[in-house]
Amino acid sequence: ILNVEQSPQSLHVQEGDSTNFTCSFPSSNFYALHWYRWETAKSPEALFVMTLNGDEKKKGRISATLNTKEGYSYLYIKGSQPEDSATYLCASRSYNFNKFYFGSGTKLNVKP
Amino acid sequence: DSGVTQTPKHLITATGQRVTLRCSPRSGDLSVYWYQQSLDQGLQFLIQYYNGEERAKGNILERFSAQQFPDLHSELNLSSLELGDSALYFCASSVGGAAANTGELFFGEGSRLTVL
Repeated sequence: ILNVEQSPQSLHVQEGDSTNFTCSFPSSNFYALHWYRWETAKSPEALFVMTLNGDEKKKGRISATLNTKEGYSYLYIKGSQPEDSATYLCASRSYNFNKFYFGSGTKLNVKP
Repeated sequence: DSGVTQTPKHLITATGQRVTLRCSPRSGDLSVYWYQQSLDQGLQFLIQYYNGEERAKGNILERFSAQQFPDLHSELNLSSLELGDSALYFCASSVGGAAANTGELFFGEGSRLTVL
């Protein structure tokens, strides 16, 4: 079992604030790191998949970085909006491709 | 719409019973993953199939079993149900295999199981 940990567990911010979360994962046998966005009453949707040390991905106001040597990834949201409210999950994929282990998520609440 | 279909959406049953949850992956996806989300817990990886074969096992109880059929749909069988098995069960699919560079998962909407 891969221990994937996310912090903080929850976050409350005001509209317009920028925020970031952390995902830490075992760096051995690492293959890929995934970020998913999970809105209430919906199913998780992929945001980013990163594989290389130093990878940076961006989608609109959301971006992510990856450090495979030390086993962490950051997700940044610039200028948070109420529609960004969701649980953000990261998952580490092992080198044999097949096991995706998810962290417990960071629940973001953006107040208007 | 992710293209992954799960049935039933909701299921209420009694302790000791057996249920089957069904998942149809996205067209073209060969890998199917099953996850369990219990109250206040994250997604717990149960099991993964690729093109009909079991590829990886996570925290799946012996009372639970799964299979993937030739048409690539998958079923998760839960038997001798206990109150603690009440959870949201997600199926996810991906292209799978060594050629899957991104391998992102596409999730179904989940099957909510309530054991009374």
